[in-house]
Amino acid sequence: NAGVTQTPKFQVLKTGQSMTLQCAQDMNHEYMSWYRQDPGMGLRLIHYSVGAGITDQGEVPNGYNVSRSTTEDFPLRLLSAAPSQTSVYFCASSYTGGGFRSEQFFGPGTRLTVL
Amino acid sequence: GESVGLHLPTLSVQEGDNSIINCAYSNSASDYFIWYKQESGKGPQFIIDIRSNMDKRQGQRVTVLLNKTVKHLSLQIAATQPGDSAVYFCAENGNYGQNFVFGPGTRLSVLP
Repeated sequence: NAGVTQTPKFQVLKTGQSMTLQCAQDMNHEYMSWYRQDPGMGLRLIHYSVGAGITDQGEVPNGYNVSRSTTEDFPLRLLSAAPSQTSVYFCASSYTGGGFRSEQFFGPGTRLTVL
Repeated sequence: GESVGLHLPTLSVQEGDNSIINCAYSNSASDYFIWYKQESGKGPQFIIDIRSNMDKRQGQRVTVLLNKTVKHLSLQIAATQPGDSAVYFCAENGNYGQNFVFGPGTRLSVLP
């Protein structure tokens, strides 16, 4: 299994540009999430999804959109990039069987710079 | 939310010594906790977890201790090795379903 994959690894945008960060997992996990990580800080939740067709906001959702048309994919869209969105973005997925919480598996991250 | 800072706390230990990394969590209702390791340029990697009905859990060279009274979590690494150098995050299950709230992290530096 490839686990959680993210593309691109690096991206530079100008203010106002749009782009989509891709995330895919091959573990048949229902839960998927997007976090951002800023220097010296922990990860903060942007959006999450409990299954195909269902998404919800996390702690810092403004400026980001998501969709979940399949179990495998969970893209994150920046409609109009701002310098405050310069960060490293991590996608994660987890198994939810049995009603127990379980670990999240993380992708390698996308480093985004907005000029 | 979690308090944040620009500079990570750093713990420096000699190779072969034991390391103890501490974490204070915020939600007394949290019932599941994880320690993650993050190496430079990589995503967080699961180390060990513990549920709130336990006080201690051991893995290979790692032990997690949970003190619910003071909302404190610790990670002990035995015989620390150079490969243990990384940033370590504690995470508690948060207010968003299966997702977690992460602490700011501690950088572990292993000295030869």
